[in-house]
Amino acid sequence: KAGVTQTPRYLIKTRGQQVTLSCSPISGHRSVSWYQQTPGQGLQFLFEYFSETQRNKGNFPGRFSGRQFSNSRSEMNVSTLELGDSALYLCASSPWGGPGAQYFGPGTRLLVL
Amino acid sequence: AQTVTQSQPEMSVQEAETVTLSCTYDTSESDYYLFWYKQPPSRQMILVIRQEAYKQQNATENRFSVNFQKAAKSFSLKISDSQLGDAAMYFCAYRGQGTSGSRLTFGEGTQLTVNP
Repeated sequence: KAGVTQTPRYLIKTRGQQVTLSCSPISGHRSVSWYQQTPGQGLQFLFEYFSETQRNKGNFPGRFSGRQFSNSRSEMNVSTLELGDSALYLCASSPWGGPGAQYFGPGTRLLVL
Repeated sequence: AQTVTQSQPEMSVQEAETVTLSCTYDTSESDYYLFWYKQPPSRQMILVIRQEAYKQQNATENRFSVNFQKAAKSFSLKISDSQLGDAAMYFCAYRGQGTSGSRLTFGEGTQLTVNP
């Protein structure tokens, strides 16, 4: 099976712009979660989608949003980018959001100038 | 809220030796899952091993094993016969049950260096 894929892998934006990141889960996986990784804050949970519904949300401002499509692919959007949004954004999928482990994609590295 | 603590920011081990990485967590839940993930320089997070809290038997995956002490809320990772390819950042992660869904709470990470 193909693993979790994320596009783009690298992105450079300027403050005030918006960005959309994409994640395709492992085939058959219906749960997709997003995490932000920074040197200062470590790995932080952004949100989880399951069957096109947001099931959980982390403690991030409303500028961070996401959605999931009927084929389980997910996108996250960050509007009005700030310098502090520079991070590695990781997407993870799991079979049905139950007790299984999450499997991560390679991440999208976002640099905000 | 659940918290995960890894008190060793860095560890080093000689090739072929054994090393143990520590992790403690805090939770009021009785059922949960614990994981160790490895993040090499490529930044790809790789699942190393998982443990279900209701299972008393410690999980083992080839050279990787855990020491799960539920009462002490401790979950350490032992790497036997360390190899150069084991060098990476290791994260301990907690996943609860119920409304928390698939959400993982991560520790701060332990950077493991393997010396030849």
